[in-house]
Amino acid sequence: SQTIHQWPATLVQPVGSPLSLECTVEGTSNPNLYWYRQAAGRGLQLLFYSVGIGQISSEVPQNLSASRPQDRQFILSSKKLLLSDSGFYLCAWSHGDKSDTIYFGEGSWLTVV
Amino acid sequence: AQSVAQPEDQVNVAEGNPLTVKCTYSVSGNPYLFWYVQYPNRGLQFLLKYITGDNLVKGSYGFEAEFNKSQTSFHLKKPSALVSDSALYFCAVRKNSGGYNKLIFGAGTRLAVHP
Repeated sequence: SQTIHQWPATLVQPVGSPLSLECTVEGTSNPNLYWYRQAAGRGLQLLFYSVGIGQISSEVPQNLSASRPQDRQFILSSKKLLLSDSGFYLCAWSHGDKSDTIYFGEGSWLTVV
Repeated sequence: AQSVAQPEDQVNVAEGNPLTVKCTYSVSGNPYLFWYVQYPNRGLQFLLKYITGDNLVKGSYGFEAEFNKSQTSFHLKKPSALVSDSALYFCAVRKNSGGYNKLIFGAGTRLAVHP
C-alpha cells in the first residue's frame, strides 16, 4: 500500500532563516505531488504541484519554492522566511487521473518568530 | 470556474442524532466531488468521493453523501453521530487545469457532536 511521509512535524524558525520541508511517497511510482498551506485552521491553499521530476508549477506568487529531485520526493523551501509564512503545510499525492483520490500527509507546523 | 461552498461554519449535533454537513458545487461538465475530515493538528483523511453512478456514496466511518445534480449539492450525512466525529470537514471538487488534476476546497465546516 502507498504511504506518505512528511517532516519535520513542527518547526520554529526565526525570520530571515531558510526553510526545508520534505515529503516522500512510498509504494507507487510517478505520482502527482502537491504542497498545500492551511492558515488559521481552515482554508486550504494549493501552493505547488508536480507531475514529474523537475516539473513544478506554482499556484500563487510567494516567498516559497518547491523542488522534486526524485520521483517520489517533494521539497518545500525558502531562502528567507517571513512572519507570514507561518502555517500548517500539507504534502499530498495522487495518481494522474482526475477521478483519483488525493491523499495527504500528516502536515508540518511552521512557526516563524 | 469550479468552486465549492460550505455554507455553515459550524454544525452542532447531539450524539445519536443524524448529522448533515452541507456542500454545494459549481462546475462545468461532470463533477468529481470529495469529502475529507481533519482532526486537530492532523492531515486530511479521505472519507468518500463521487465520480459517477449511484447518487448515494458510502464512505469511511459510517459516513455517506448524496449527489444531487439538480440542486448541485453533495451533502455529507451520518445516521447516528458520535462524539468522536467532532472534527473539521472539507468538501472538494476536482479541477482539471492544463493536464493537472487539483482539488479545490471549500472553507470547511466544524462539526461538534455533544454527549
